[in-house]
Amino acid sequence: SQKIEQNSEALNIQEGKTATLTCNYTNYSPAYLQWYRQDPGRGPVFLLLIRENEKEKRKERLKVTFDTTLKQSLFHITASQPADSATYLCALGTTGKLIFGQGTTLQVKP
Amino acid sequence: GAVVSQHPSWVICKSGTSVKIECRSLDFQATTMFWYRQFPKQSLMLMATSNEGSKATYEQGVEKDKFLINHASLTLSTLTVTSAHPEDSSFYICSARGLTGSPRDEQFFGPGTRLTVL
Repeated sequence: SQKIEQNSEALNIQEGKTATLTCNYTNYSPAYLQWYRQDPGRGPVFLLLIRENEKEKRKERLKVTFDTTLKQSLFHITASQPADSATYLCALGTTGKLIFGQGTTLQVKP
Repeated sequence: GAVVSQHPSWVICKSGTSVKIECRSLDFQATTMFWYRQFPKQSLMLMATSNEGSKATYEQGVEKDKFLINHASLTLSTLTVTSAHPEDSSFYICSARGLTGSPRDEQFFGPGTRLTVL
């Protein structure tokens, strides 16, 4: 069956450290993958897109990798700050629509 | 730029009534809009894809007669929950994709509408 899995447990890290979030999928062949941030009671906000033929994408303190062989994407936030605390969603792009994972909640402690 | 609004932001209604939610792209024209539903601590589940001027495409398991979608212009889509019941209580979020129409375009999400059916 098709499945998208993100770290099920909340991720707690200390300010200044690098947060690494995982997105694994099975039985999908996404053309691209996106990462979104969602704060409580709000809609998701787009962060990064990475295409199937790209290995890595960076934007400021954010880095995304995409391994289509492992069927995995890693999302890194370097020099994390308390303001980075939120839920992060990965979304697979396939047939013109997005399929979302359940999200990982990140808590950055000062 | 690329702002999507939703109205209302929250609504409480009695069981059996219908509720309309509006989704507007404020500063761009959206060929395609999407409607999602999100239950607490769960992922966004795509309900339907709406293209301007044509009928919406519903995901498997979503009742099209219960969740009426209209996309009459390039800046407005509406979702009407007909004969709402308590199990329809959820967070409804719309998104819009830009005019280039590329499936790889990012989707811009609205702030969501919290529906509570008593």
